[in-house]
Amino acid sequence: KAGVTQTPRYLIKTRGQQVTLSCSPISGHRSVSWYQQTPGQGLQFLFEYFSETQRNKGNFPGRFSGRQFSNSRSEMNVSTLELGDSALYLCASSLDVGGQPQHFGDGTRLSIL
Amino acid sequence: QKEVEQDPGPLSVPEGAIVSLNCTYSNSAFQYFMWYRQYSRKGPELLMYTYSSGNKEDGRFTAQVDKSSKYISLFIRDSQPSDSATYLCAQGLGANSKLTFGKGITLSVRP
Repeated sequence: KAGVTQTPRYLIKTRGQQVTLSCSPISGHRSVSWYQQTPGQGLQFLFEYFSETQRNKGNFPGRFSGRQFSNSRSEMNVSTLELGDSALYLCASSLDVGGQPQHFGDGTRLSIL
Repeated sequence: QKEVEQDPGPLSVPEGAIVSLNCTYSNSAFQYFMWYRQYSRKGPELLMYTYSSGNKEDGRFTAQVDKSSKYISLFIRDSQPSDSATYLCAQGLGANSKLTFGKGITLSVRP
């Protein structure tokens, strides 16, 4: 069974640009959550999507947004990139909303120049 | 007080040692407790998952949860160089998928 797939693996952007990251959950999993991982803050929850609706949101500015498609695939968008947005962005999937445990992909490493 | 505190490390042990990793948490509403292992340039990999207080064993790994003390532990027996990684504790509430993570501890097992 394929795991959580995230694309691209690496991205380099400049300040002010925007970026879209993609996540395909484990087959049959309908809930997708996004996390940001940095050396200083560790892993922090961004948001959760289920049935194409955002179900839960962390403490991040509105520049961070996402969506989910009918096949449960999800995208995350960050607009007006700042240097502090450099991080590993991780996607996790679970069977149902609020479901545990979650399984993570290998992430997208975003670097802002 | 942070919601989850984890020993900062790093931790270096010889091969074959017993390793004890610990986390404390402040939110008594947490119901789910997990340990993830993360290798360099990879995502967190689920190691152990438990819903209640007590012990759970899987091979060389034992997870221990004490809800009354708000304390969780992961024990690794007969540690191997392949266990060298960052270990993250995580806690979850029942109503949503948000996980709250410790900062992680980097373990190095010397051959």
